[in-house]
Amino acid sequence: GNSVTQMEGPVTLSEEAFLTINCTYTATGYPSLFWYVQYPGEGLQLLLKATKADDKGSNKGFEATYRKETTSFHLEKGSVQVSDSAVYFCALTNSGAGSYQLTFGKGTKLSVIP
Amino acid sequence: DAMVIQNPRYQVTQFGKPVTLSCSQTLNHNVMYWYQQKSSQAPKLLFHYYDKDFNNEADTPDNFQSRRPNTSFCFLDIRSPGLGDAAMYLCATSGPTGEMVNYGYTFGSGTRLTVV
Repeated sequence: GNSVTQMEGPVTLSEEAFLTINCTYTATGYPSLFWYVQYPGEGLQLLLKATKADDKGSNKGFEATYRKETTSFHLEKGSVQVSDSAVYFCALTNSGAGSYQLTFGKGTKLSVIP
Repeated sequence: DAMVIQNPRYQVTQFGKPVTLSCSQTLNHNVMYWYQQKSSQAPKLLFHYYDKDFNNEADTPDNFQSRRPNTSFCFLDIRSPGLGDAAMYLCATSGPTGEMVNYGYTFGSGTRLTVV
């Protein structure tokens, strides 16, 4: 079956530090990969996505590259801000057999301090 | 703006008293989902509708039911809430498979359920 593994949190960084949140996946075929962000007390928002190998998703200064050879989709940002404090979820969906399941990782809580 | 709206944002219910959470969407998406998210955990899929077809996850308790009277609305009914059902409940939508793999889901802001 499909699974997503994220680095354990919480992660605490100073403002303007470099961020990496690791994500690896297990899936058959060619899954689509996503990063969702959840701000405190809110639902999940799509941050970025990649639908095929070597695609790079980017949004709001965040980037992630779909690496099929390493089955990874690590999230990076060059300079984090306090407003980036949130929980980040890596997720995948696999369209095989008409599946609608979005499989999430456990989430990584990021706290950015001034 | 097209969106997914959940009401209420916060719901307090008594132990064992039936409660209904609602979700509406203006995206005209075929598929609607209900997720349960407990503190510091990933969302867990309870069930989804593809149009009128209901799909229950194997480990979703019978205490949880859902209704989708039309494309726009979907309801989550908890027949006899227990303390363990306190959680954030997230509604999400997606288009058909092809759109879903390209765009993922659109989530509502969630309903935080407290059981007292």
